[in-house]
Amino acid sequence: AQSVTQLGSHVSVSEGALVLLRCNYSSSVPPYLFWYVQYPNQGLQLLLKYTSAATLVKGINGFEAEFKKSETSFHLTKPSAHMSDAAEYFCAVRLIQGAQKLVFGQGTRLTINP
Amino acid sequence: DADVTQTPRNRITKTGKRIMLECSQTKGHDRMYWYRQDPGLGLRLIYYSFDVKDINKGEISDGYSVSRQAQAKFSLSLESAIPNQTALYFCATSEGGLSSYEQYFGPGTRLTVT
Repeated sequence: AQSVTQLGSHVSVSEGALVLLRCNYSSSVPPYLFWYVQYPNQGLQLLLKYTSAATLVKGINGFEAEFKKSETSFHLTKPSAHMSDAAEYFCAVRLIQGAQKLVFGQGTRLTINP
Repeated sequence: DADVTQTPRNRITKTGKRIMLECSQTKGHDRMYWYRQDPGLGLRLIYYSFDVKDINKGEISDGYSVSRQAQAKFSLSLESAIPNQTALYFCATSEGGLSSYEQYFGPGTRLTVT
């Protein structure tokens, strides 16, 4: 069975600092991987996705993530945090074959300090 | 107008009551999903439907039922609501086929069962 683990339910960084949100997955077959963002009182919005093409994926709002098969990781980064990045972030995995169900991690709440 | 809409956006109900949450989409997608979000648990899949005649249970379907009235409409029912069904509920849609990757989320329905 596939699963997703996000390390750290809360991450706090200063404005202008590096953002690093960690995601590890377990899957017996190659997966598709996603990062979603949820702003307060809103639904989830896709930040970026890995679909077995380039391992370094660039998304919206300056975020990027790197798929590392040897480490079963898909960490999300942004070089310089902005106050508007404060939100909850979810990593999700979907098997390439079979039912297109997403399995989500538990979420990481990102706080940006001025 | 939003592509995926949910009604109501907020609902407070009493234990034992029947309640229906509705989802409509204008994206023309075949596939629709219901998730619930609980703090620290991420999103968990309740039911999903690949077309009007294809409905499947997710990981936490007990206590819930669904109806796919048309391609564009997918309703979630709580036959007899209980307090631990208090959560944020999201509807999502996606295209059919292996080449579809992204799920598009509605704004959510906050349900409180007292």
